[in-house]
Amino acid sequence: DAGVIQSPRHEVTEMGQEVTLRCKPISGHDYLFWYRQTMMRGLELLIYFNNNVPIDDSGMPEDRFSAKMPNASFSTLKIQPSEPRDSAVYFCASSSVAGETQYFGPGTRLLVL
Amino acid sequence: AQSVAQPEDQVNVAEGNPLTVKCTYSVSGNPYLFWYVQYPNRGLQFLLKYITGDNLVKGSYGFEAEFNKSQTSFHLKKPSALVSDSALYFCAVRDKIKTGANNLFFGTGTRLTVIP
Repeated sequence: DAGVIQSPRHEVTEMGQEVTLRCKPISGHDYLFWYRQTMMRGLELLIYFNNNVPIDDSGMPEDRFSAKMPNASFSTLKIQPSEPRDSAVYFCASSSVAGETQYFGPGTRLLVL
Repeated sequence: AQSVAQPEDQVNVAEGNPLTVKCTYSVSGNPYLFWYVQYPNRGLQFLLKYITGDNLVKGSYGFEAEFNKSQTSFHLKKPSALVSDSALYFCAVRDKIKTGANNLFFGTGTRLTVIP
């Protein structure tokens, strides 16, 4: 298996623009997680899905952030409009029901100017 | 409430010496405990986990961790550090009681530097 795949790996955009981050979980994994990592706040859970359904979105910072999982092999995290304080590394992770271990993608490094 | 504490932001150790990265946790029931490692510009990689059974858990790259219920700790150890072990280490916990919830609570991370 290729592991969790994220795209793009790097994104530079200007304030006010829409940003879409993409994630393909490991095949067969029922859970998908979106995290944000910054120096100031560390690793934060934004939202997670079980069987494509959002279970807990309490970590989503504000309405500018939205996440979808239209099918078992694809999820998006959208920021609209983006702001400089959204600059961070965004990780996607997936896990199976039995294993509990989360497997992380390589991350998307986002810079909002 | 579930939480994890990594009391040391930074740990320095000489190459060849034993290393310890500390972690304490708080859950309402019995915990699932995990260690992850993050190398520069990479995602988190799973190292080892404790679910049940033997309190001493062995993982990747020669790392091990010991679950201590009375001290609510799960310290990461390695007998002989390598320069290549230099990275950011995260401890994480999940409460077994919360069935159906599969999210982990991560600590703030400890940066390990192994000095040649």
